[in-house]
Amino acid sequence: EPEVTQTPSHQVTQMGQEVILRCVPISNHLYFYWYRQILGQKVEFLVSFYNNEISEKSEIFDDQFSVERPDGSNFTLKIRSTKLEDSAMYFCASSEGEGALETQYFGPGTRLLVL
Amino acid sequence: AQKVTQAQTEISVVEKEDVTLDCVYETRDTTYYLFWYKQPPSGELVFLIRRNSFDEQNEISGRYSWNFQKSTSSFNFTITASQVVDSAVYFCALSQGFQKLVFGTGTRLLVSP
Repeated sequence: EPEVTQTPSHQVTQMGQEVILRCVPISNHLYFYWYRQILGQKVEFLVSFYNNEISEKSEIFDDQFSVERPDGSNFTLKIRSTKLEDSAMYFCASSEGEGALETQYFGPGTRLLVL
Repeated sequence: AQKVTQAQTEISVVEKEDVTLDCVYETRDTTYYLFWYKQPPSGELVFLIRRNSFDEQNEISGRYSWNFQKSTSSFNFTITASQVVDSAVYFCALSQGFQKLVFGTGTRLLVSP
């Protein structure tokens, strides 16, 4: 069964460093998303992406964040200058159609720790 | 704005007991979707069910069943004859527009042998 994959599974970085989290969405899906979950808290929407552009973003998704689909399969989240509060699990998701009309399938997550 | 409330922070049951996880939502949308996801200890989010606002039929899938009641804005999830493998955090989520899911804070279910 097709699934969303994410790499790396864990990443430790120093405050101020740039990180890139990678995702491979399900191949026939057109909509892509990033969510994050601070330890022990709820899952929060960051951004949605369709047709090579951001279609919606939350207030969390400020200028230090960016997303890109560099090729036909990968979808990346870049955090330019990490802060301690960026420590969280980051989930990528994809859906065939628009998010609420089609189910969003989530990847296994990347656990980011900023020291 | 959309809001999902899962008032039960943690529930502990013994194997074979039935358990119901509550979910109450708020929305001004007339068309919306509700979801349940399971997050096992390994951390991934596993899709369980999607329900649209026009379909109030209850759904059963094996030991899982869902009760959607628009009148009380609730979408409750029942596990019948719980098993240790059901131990996880369960999240209820609500669509906001067409691009975003709003999650509740989750209910941690502990099933002991």
